[in-house]
Amino acid sequence: DAGVIQSPRHEVTEMGQEVTLRCKPISGHNSLFWYRQTMMRGLELLIYFNNNVPIDDSGMPEDRFSAKMPNASFSTLKIQPSEPRDSAVYFCASSFSWTGGPSSNQPQHFGDGTRLSIL
Amino acid sequence: SQQGEEDPQALSIQEGENATMNCSYKTSINNLQWYRQNSGRGLVHLILIRSNEREKHSGRLRVTLDTSKKSSSLLITASRAADTASYFCATDRTGFQKLVFGTGTRLLVSP
Repeated sequence: DAGVIQSPRHEVTEMGQEVTLRCKPISGHNSLFWYRQTMMRGLELLIYFNNNVPIDDSGMPEDRFSAKMPNASFSTLKIQPSEPRDSAVYFCASSFSWTGGPSSNQPQHFGDGTRLSIL
Repeated sequence: SQQGEEDPQALSIQEGENATMNCSYKTSINNLQWYRQNSGRGLVHLILIRSNEREKHSGRLRVTLDTSKKSSSLLITASRAADTASYFCATDRTGFQKLVFGTGTRLLVSP
């Protein structure tokens, strides 16, 4: 079975440019998470969706960041305009919750991430 | 902010030896999970232990949980070079529906 698929794997762009990261969760999963990983701050949750609805975006750094999930098989994380401090590895993860709501008692399945460098 | 802190930050052992990593957290939890991350890859779920469990096994992995001390340990027995990776604990605070990951332990297993 295909795992979580993220694209692109690497992105290098100049500050001020718009960046769009994409994620395809595992088929049948109903929760989707976006994380950011840096050496300084570790792994941080940015936002998560349940049944395509954003549940908690308290981790989104600022208004330059936005995320959408138009359907159960696709999500995007957009940064506009990008800044050098946004450089990090961005991970998407998905999980399935029997209760139908967001649940933290299920394993999360991670993609291999997008390594983003803003020059 | 990070809920979990792993100890040690780095661990270097020989193949065949056991590796023990510890995780401490700050608030009451529903469950604690351990993940592995190989270099350049995403995290992979290893094991989940619920707050009413004290010990759990999965293959060469043994996890313990002490809620009174707010700590957990991950033991990898008979380690292999392929176990070289970073290991993270993740906790969900009671009442919150999301995981918070610790700082990780970098494990190096030499042949």
